[in-house]
Formats: sequence, C-alpha cells, structure tokens
Amino acid sequence: GAVVSQHPSWVICKSGTSVKIECRSLDFQATTMFWYRQFPKQSLMLMATSNEGSKATYEQGVEKDKFLINHASLTLSTLTVTSAHPEDSSFYICSARDPGEAFFGQGTRLTVV
Amino acid sequence: GEDVEQSLFLSVREGDSSVINCTYTDSSSTYLYWYKQEPGAGLQLLTYIFSNMDMKQDQRLTVLLNKKDKHLSLRIADTQTGDSAIYFCAEKTGYIPTFGRGTSLIVHP
Repeated sequence: GAVVSQHPSWVICKSGTSVKIECRSLDFQATTMFWYRQFPKQSLMLMATSNEGSKATYEQGVEKDKFLINHASLTLSTLTVTSAHPEDSSFYICSARDPGEAFFGQGTRLTVV
Repeated sequence: GEDVEQSLFLSVREGDSSVINCTYTDSSSTYLYWYKQEPGAGLQLLTYIFSNMDMKQDQRLTVLLNKKDKHLSLRIADTQTGDSAIYFCAEKTGYIPTFGRGTSLIVHP
C-alpha cells in the first residue's frame, strides 16, 4: 500500500512553546489529509480535514488557532500545536487519502512538560 | 450519529484462534475496515470488506460481515505473539472512517 511518513515520531517540549508535526505522502499525491488525536485506550478523534491549497475544516470543539494546519503541497501537510500545554500531550496521527483509501502515518507522541 | 462498538480486551493462547467483534450503527456504511496498531505506532490497514460481501479471507485473517445485524468480526487463525496489538474496527460511508475504541489483543504462551 501507499506510504505515509510522519515526523517526528516523538517530541518533548516545554509548556508554552510550539511544535510542528509533518505528514508526507511518499509515493502518491494526497489532495486530502486528516489529522487525528488519540488518547490512551481511546479511539482516534478526527481533529481536522485539510485539502491542498485551501483552509482546513476543523471538527467541532477543536481550536483552529491552537492547532494550525497547513497543506501547501500535494504531498505535505503540517500540524502546529501552538503554545502547547500539558493537556495537549497526546498521540497525533495523520492520514493521507489517495483516490481509493486513506493510509496512516506512524504517529507522533507529543509530551508537553 | 455513527457509532462503532467493540470490546476492549481479548486474551488468547498462542496457536489458538482469536475472534474480535465489532458492531456499528450506520446502515449506509459502504466499507468496513480492520486496522492494527502496535505500541507507539500508527495504524496499519489489515483488511477491509465491502458492504455487499459477507466474508473475506486473506491468509490467517477472516472477516465476517452480518449486514442485517450490523456485526463485523475478525478471526485470526493460529494467533502468534506478534499479533499482540490493538485492533480497530472502522466503518466508512463518505470518505472519513469512524473508528471503534479498539480491542487490545493479548497473546500468551
């Protein structure tokens, strides 16, 4: 299947700083990418849907000013957690959609201290 | 809204078969999926079934779909320790899948 690469795999940052997570589709062009958040022993919660060249669509309850999403090219989407706080610590997973299916990155473990 | 339910834990002995069950509520689902998540990793698509099928087999994996009861199951034959992971059931009507909470499969010797 198609490969989606997410970077970094894990990151520790200080409270109040910003963190950028990258999601790349390596062997296909993804017009649509999705960002999920997963809490321990919980399912994946869709945060936002991003389409290349346009603004992301955020799910209800997700702060768009806190979770900045950029999808500047057909192979790259970024999620920036701004002014991170300990409650933002979580596992973030991106998904990129080729014409048929959505494939997932390996996830990023964010820990805010 | 859509809802996908699955039990949280399943423990099996190595070599036995594992059966992970899932129920969903959206009768217009077109695809149903099983994903595997190993510790600290993303989701790996294991298999999927189209809603007009009732069974799909792929090596050690067998997917059964009862559309009338909205019940999906994943059977893993000859379960190995490497199969220990969280298994997510997901259904899709549009292009965004809805996930269950995942079933932790624990394989013991």
